[in-house]
Amino acid sequence: KAGVTQTPRYLIKTRGQQVTLSCSPISGHRSVSWYQQTPGQGLQFLFEYFSETQRNKGNFPGRFSGRQFSNSRSEMNVSTLELGDSALYLCASSYLVGGDTQYFGPGTRLTVL
Amino acid sequence: DAKTTQPNSMESNEEEPVHLPCNHSTISGTDYIHWYRQLPSQGPEYVIHGLTSNVNNRMASLAIAEDRKSSTLILHRATLRDAAVYYCILRVPIRDDKIIFGKGTRLHILP
Repeated sequence: KAGVTQTPRYLIKTRGQQVTLSCSPISGHRSVSWYQQTPGQGLQFLFEYFSETQRNKGNFPGRFSGRQFSNSRSEMNVSTLELGDSALYLCASSYLVGGDTQYFGPGTRLTVL
Repeated sequence: DAKTTQPNSMESNEEEPVHLPCNHSTISGTDYIHWYRQLPSQGPEYVIHGLTSNVNNRMASLAIAEDRKSSTLILHRATLRDAAVYYCILRVPIRDDKIIFGKGTRLHILP
């Protein structure tokens, strides 16, 4: 069974632009979570989707948004990029919600110049 | 949320056992103890989890103290590929949709 895939793997943007990251979960998994990883803050939860509904959201500004499609694929969008948004963005999928094992993708490395 | 405390870093020699400690003195009765690890340039991966009894799988063993205030992840024979950051996390089934990661322990394996 294929793992979680994320595209693109690397991205360079400039301040003020917006970006969309994509995540394809493991086949059969309906829950997708997003995390941001930076050297200073470590791994921080962004949001989680299950059956196209956002179930939980972390403490991030409204510039960070996401959605999930009927095939469980998910996208996250960051608008009006800031230098501090440079990070590794990780997607994780799980079969169930709430405490189930999460399987992470390799991440998208976003650099904001 | 209950918190965990781990050493910032540890070193071990290749082919020797490694014991990674985790303190969780405020653990509640419904908290499961999960371990994830993150290898360089990869996303985190699940290692093992348990509630009260010791657990074994192909990757590691988890030893849980009788009072559940601490636990130890055991790698029976470390290899260079086990060099990673190891995270000890508490989660409640059904309730916890997100994983709250701490700083973890950076494990260095010496050849």
